[in-house]
Amino acid sequence: ETGVTQTPRHLVMGMTNKKSLKCEQHLGHNAMYWYKQSAKKPLELMFVYNFKEQTENNSVPSRFSPECPNSSHLFLHLHTLQPEDSALYLCASSQASGSQGYSNQPQHFGDGTRLSIL
Amino acid sequence: DQQVKQNSPSLSVQEGRISILNCDYTNSMFDYFLWYKKYPAEGPTFLISISSIKDKNEDGRFTVFLNKSAKHLSLHIVPSQPGDSAVYFCAARDQGGSEKLVFGKGTKLTVNP
Repeated sequence: ETGVTQTPRHLVMGMTNKKSLKCEQHLGHNAMYWYKQSAKKPLELMFVYNFKEQTENNSVPSRFSPECPNSSHLFLHLHTLQPEDSALYLCASSQASGSQGYSNQPQHFGDGTRLSIL
Repeated sequence: DQQVKQNSPSLSVQEGRISILNCDYTNSMFDYFLWYKKYPAEGPTFLISISSIKDKNEDGRFTVFLNKSAKHLSLHIVPSQPGDSAVYFCAARDQGGSEKLVFGKGTKLTVNP
C-alpha cells in the first residue's frame, strides 16, 4: 500500500477536454513531483514543488498546468492535449532539505494515472 | 542524450542464484543514486540507495556498488527469488540542481523457479 495516492487510475479524454489529475501524499513530505513515462522511454521529470513553491519546470508545454495548494496535495490540470501526451503520469513525494544542502531521502511514488488521448 | 543508461533491457536468472543489474551514467555531478523496483500496474517502489561518498551499501539481500571512476553502479540480489521479478530502474540526482532525479529506461528481471 502506497503513501502516495493518485486519482483517477485511468483516464480517457478527447483533445478538447479539460481534466485534472490528483495526487495526495500521507507521508508528511514537503516536496512533490510530477513525472511522465511514455512507452519505451525513461521516466521524465515534469515539475517539482518544494514547500509548495514550484522549483522546477522541465520545459513542459503550457497545456499541462500544475497546482500545489499545500504540501500534501498536487494537481495536474490538462487542457487541449495531443495524442503524444498519452502516457503514464506518476506523482512522487519526498522529504527535501530546506537548506542549501540536499537530503538523501528517496522519492516515493504513487501508482500513476494511465492517460489516453483520443 | 541519456545521462543514465541501463543497457540490458532484460535479465533472466534462476531462483537462488545472484542477479546483477547494471547502470552507467555520464554526469560527474551526480551525487546520489537509487534503485527502484516496479511491478505491472504499480508505481516504482524505492529499493536501496547510495551516496557518492560510499562505494557499497547493503540491505538484506540487496547490495548496491558504486564505481565513481567508471561511472558505473550495480545492484546485486542474492539469493534471487521469484517475487523479485519486476522492472528495475536506476536513478541519479544532480548535486547542482534541485531534488531532480534522472532515470534509466529499466531492466526487466525474471527469476525462474
